Amino acid sequence: GDSVTQTEGPVTVSESESLIINCTYSATSIAYPNLFWYVRYPGEGLQLLLKVITAGQKGSSRGFEATYNKETTSFHLQKASVQESDSAVYYCALGEGGNTGKLIFGLGTTLQVQP
Amino acid sequence: GGIITQTPKFLIGQEGQKLTLKCQQNFNHDTMYWYRQDSGKGLRLIYYSITENDLQKGDLSEGYDASREKKSSFSLTVTSAQKNEMAVFLCASSMASNTGQLYFGEGSKLTVL
Repeated sequence: GDSVTQTEGPVTVSESESLIINCTYSATSIAYPNLFWYVRYPGEGLQLLLKVITAGQKGSSRGFEATYNKETTSFHLQKASVQESDSAVYYCALGEGGNTGKLIFGLGTTLQVQP
Repeated sequence: GGIITQTPKFLIGQEGQKLTLKCQQNFNHDTMYWYRQDSGKGLRLIYYSITENDLQKGDLSEGYDASREKKSSFSLTVTSAQKNEMAVFLCASSMASNTGQLYFGEGSKLTVL
């Protein structure tokens, strides 16, 4: 079936360190999956961080980047230098079928950035 | 900007009780969604609606009813709450059904005693 697997948290890093949160997907029933990273900051609703709909392309937002790698079925989230304000829960998601509003989410990774 | 408002934020019910969650959005979005999140599990789609009076089942629709009487509102009913059930229900909306950019509410936490 279709699924998303991501780094199990919590992940703790110090401010200004680099970050990678791994995400791999399985899209057996989706010919051209779209990939997303959503984020939930403390006290706020889940919101889109970035999306990529074409294999080989890179998405970026707020200093975060993720590249859609069809060969390795991966969509890892990276940031060169994290800030304390990046502390949040990050979700990798897969757009299913023709209606990409129907998303398949990973379990979420809690990121804690220490000052 | 817009906002999605879910009510109530916390809902406590008894086993077998029918419980209703409400969601309002002022984005003027066409499509609305209800997702369920359990501890240790990802979000799972319960119902979605692409326009007023439309309802589409997600992977987790059994045990739930939904209603989209107006474009701006989407309600979800747990038809018979299960004892010791605890989950967070997330409402979301999007401009059209094919963008993947969903706007979420803060969630409604259900506890069944």
